[in-house]
Amino acid sequence: AQRVTQPEKLLSVFKGAPVELKCNYSYSGSPELFWYVQYSRQRLQLLLRHISRESIKGFTADLNKGETSFHLKKPFAQEEDSAMYYCALNGRSTDKLIFGTGTRLQVFP
Amino acid sequence: DTGVSQDPRHKITKRGQNVTFRCDPISEHNRLYWYRQTLGQGPEFLTYFQNEAQLEKSRLLSDRFSAERPKGSFSTLEIQRTEQGDSAMYLCASGQGIYGYTFGSGTRLTVV
Repeated sequence: AQRVTQPEKLLSVFKGAPVELKCNYSYSGSPELFWYVQYSRQRLQLLLRHISRESIKGFTADLNKGETSFHLKKPFAQEEDSAMYYCALNGRSTDKLIFGTGTRLQVFP
Repeated sequence: DTGVSQDPRHKITKRGQNVTFRCDPISEHNRLYWYRQTLGQGPEFLTYFQNEAQLEKSRLLSDRFSAERPKGSFSTLEIQRTEQGDSAMYLCASGQGIYGYTFGSGTRLTVV
């Protein structure tokens, strides 16, 4: 079964601290992995996707097939990073996204 | 083109009533998706269309739910005989899964 697990509901850090939001997935094939972000009172938006190997707003995520993980990292958190973050999986056999339950990141000044 | 539009933003209805939501996708996107999100959960897949063809439906989509996308443009999601358990945020998105979706702002349904 396809599943995305985000073990932390809430992650609180101070500004300038490193951040790692965990994401583990269950999928038998080669999935596409994504991180979506939802800022307060805004719509859900794509942050980054593993196929692009990009860094967006200082965030990076590396797909680790051995550990079936796709953790989101940022070396120095900013207050404006405070938001809800969702990890999502797209299985190649279907075009739907499977989302995790999300992690709320709070960055304190 | 201002992105994915959903209407209405909020809907309060009495249990047993029918409701219909509308989604206007980004015009050049031929795939359109419906998701449902409840408090504390991530979005859950309901159904998706390629042009006017409905390609997949979740088991979450009971026979009280129906979605259409006539002419492959806007889509509607109808819920008949609403129940309190239908209260949720209904999200529409367009795009293609492998590249990532663009989401609308959602329709928040409250069944009283």
